[in-house]
Amino acid sequence: DIQMTQSPSSLSASVGDRVIITCRASQSISSFLNWYQQKPGKAPRILIYAVSNLQSGVPSRFSGSGSGTDFTLTISSLQPEDFATYYCQQSYITWTFGQGTKVEIK
Amino acid sequence: QVQLVESGGGVVQPGRSLKLTCAASGFTFRSFGMHWVRQAPGKGLEWVAVISDDGSNRYYADSVKGRFTISRDNSKKTVSLQMNSLRTEDSAVYYCAKRRSSRYEDYFDYWGQGTLVTVSS
Repeated sequence: DIQMTQSPSSLSASVGDRVIITCRASQSISSFLNWYQQKPGKAPRILIYAVSNLQSGVPSRFSGSGSGTDFTLTISSLQPEDFATYYCQQSYITWTFGQGTKVEIK
Repeated sequence: QVQLVESGGGVVQPGRSLKLTCAASGFTFRSFGMHWVRQAPGKGLEWVAVISDDGSNRYYADSVKGRFTISRDNSKKTVSLQMNSLRTEDSAVYYCAKRRSSRYEDYFDYWGQGTLVTVSS
């Protein structure tokens, strides 16, 4: 099984901050890496698919990069509505999520 | 617009069975694979099962293999998860999700609101 490890597990940031979340796969997953956002009591929402493709309707302050085993999600200027938990997911061999990164208000 | 609505959750005793159903609308259901994903209280997301567009291929997480069965009815636009021999660790919110896949991408583009399953004596 492919394991996905996110860091940090949580972070505190202020509105306007640049936030970077990393995700590492236990083996190469090519470009089959996706990012989801989940707010409390809500279903997850796709933000970025295939490493760097922004889902329709997602603000351009979100971006993704990486290849092979190491990937990042960047929020260029954190907005109040961005406080949530973020999950990476590999879809190269079955599907596995990272443990999540909770972005909290500083 | 795409809608996925899960139902069938509830409280069940360990060892018993429960069937979840997800009703889909707003897209050509028969053309897409469908997943079930779960989330234990306060925990992260865990992929559970997937079924192909025509129902011919099904895959399961090791944690549920042999106990859970995913199925679909394209005429009714529903996907189901039959859960047998339930354990306390199966307690979670269960989401159905639509698969979007091609040669270069594979992700879950729409999710239902989830249904809560509690396994407890």
